[in-house]
Amino acid sequence: EVQLLESGGGLVQPGGSLRLSCAASGFIFSSFALTWVRQAPGKGLEWVSSISGSDNNTYYADSVKGRFIISRDNSKNTLYLQMNSLRVEDTAVYYCAKLGHLGPRGGVDVWGHGTTVTVPS
Amino acid sequence: QSVVTQPPSASGTPGQRVTISCSGSSSNIGSNFVYWYQQVPGSAPKLLIYRNDQRPSGVPDRFSGSKSGTSVSLAISGLRSEDEADYYCAAWDDSLSGSVFGGGTKLTVL
Repeated sequence: EVQLLESGGGLVQPGGSLRLSCAASGFIFSSFALTWVRQAPGKGLEWVSSISGSDNNTYYADSVKGRFIISRDNSKNTLYLQMNSLRVEDTAVYYCAKLGHLGPRGGVDVWGHGTTVTVPS
Repeated sequence: QSVVTQPPSASGTPGQRVTISCSGSSSNIGSNFVYWYQQVPGSAPKLLIYRNDQRPSGVPDRFSGSKSGTSVSLAISGLRSEDEADYYCAAWDDSLSGSVFGGGTKLTVL
């Protein structure tokens, strides 16, 4: 069974940094692209960033470009999201998700349960 | 404002058939596969339809997807109370080099 377990969320002041982790199991980690999707309180889903399986190509939403860095450690089956210069509008539940066989251009087939990031005003 | 638009709400009675639409452009829906997700409040999203019209194992055949040009639709037949949830469409956008989600449609079963 594919499992994705996020960690690292919490309360951080504006301008601060936080690193999210996502431990994966149940599939060949290096073969699949992964993504972060967030959901602000009471709002819809927003794509944040994706990373390809083995060649580490990365993609970012304009709202986080230059502030967030997605990375992966295939030896540890772990996905990361380094979040810098955090803003109030970054407050959200952050979901780690596995992409299907089409890589970053495809869709999510498995979602984690999410970790909450709060940046107070 | 999302580049992919969905109606904010939809509703139906048990047993009815409802359709949720999703409209985009040639750079997203028009040239890439579309995915649908179901999210029950308080839970993580779940894949409902992939590659426009394919159902993952375990998803009832009451759910179906279709695509025409730059629009897609999700149809739910034999509506049940447990179908009450938020539904999102998503696709890759070639112009943005990123994924885009529709704003979501809240389905209410009356």
